[in-house]
Amino acid sequence: ETGVTQTPRHLVMGMTNKKSLKCEQHLGHNAMYWYKQSAKKPLELMFVYSLEERVENNSVPSRFSPECPNSSHLFLHLHTLQPEDSALYLCASSQDSGTNTQYFGPGTRLTVL
Amino acid sequence: AQSVSQHNHHVILSEAASLELGCNYSYGGTVNLFWYVQYPGQHLQLLLKYFSGDPLVKGIKGFEAEFIKSKFSFNLRKPSVQWSDTAEYFCAVSNGGSQGNLIFGKGTKLSVKP
Repeated sequence: ETGVTQTPRHLVMGMTNKKSLKCEQHLGHNAMYWYKQSAKKPLELMFVYSLEERVENNSVPSRFSPECPNSSHLFLHLHTLQPEDSALYLCASSQDSGTNTQYFGPGTRLTVL
Repeated sequence: AQSVSQHNHHVILSEAASLELGCNYSYGGTVNLFWYVQYPGQHLQLLLKYFSGDPLVKGIKGFEAEFIKSKFSFNLRKPSVQWSDTAEYFCAVSNGGSQGNLIFGKGTKLSVKP
């Protein structure tokens, strides 16, 4: 247990659905991250938030929309996804965005039908 | 752009064998280096990290890694693996800048036969 929790752990959705992934960190960290982990590909950084402000968006399609209401919570809102978006979505946190040791949650396994 | 190469996709060893997993990165400046491990069904965990100082870094569970700046490498080693070391291992690099973004390798799956 790293102090970073994610819900749901598994999600199956159709291409027209809207769903949200939730991440919560109990470590008092100021930075939070979303990553995408696909089979046989490196982890891809999607979004970085520092003190609730987005500081990085790695050219992620607009069908992924992050939200960071406070330093402990991070959401990833999903709409009109494609089957190729099926992957494991990982949340991570670190003390701040300049301190690089990141602590990961267990991930949400997303399947888009 | 920074990149991280892990040369072995899948390594199969018997218990008590020695392990070395390769990791090379492409970035000319100051780097911070990490190895993460993902056991089956579990989340990514930090195994060890190098920021500065002694280039031979010791991590948890008997793992160590050596930073060789001239070779842009950060190979992971363990003298004697156990069945419980079966997992996927990820090397990651950061330039230590204000955003602290990690660039990950594709991972190496280690299977240890009992």
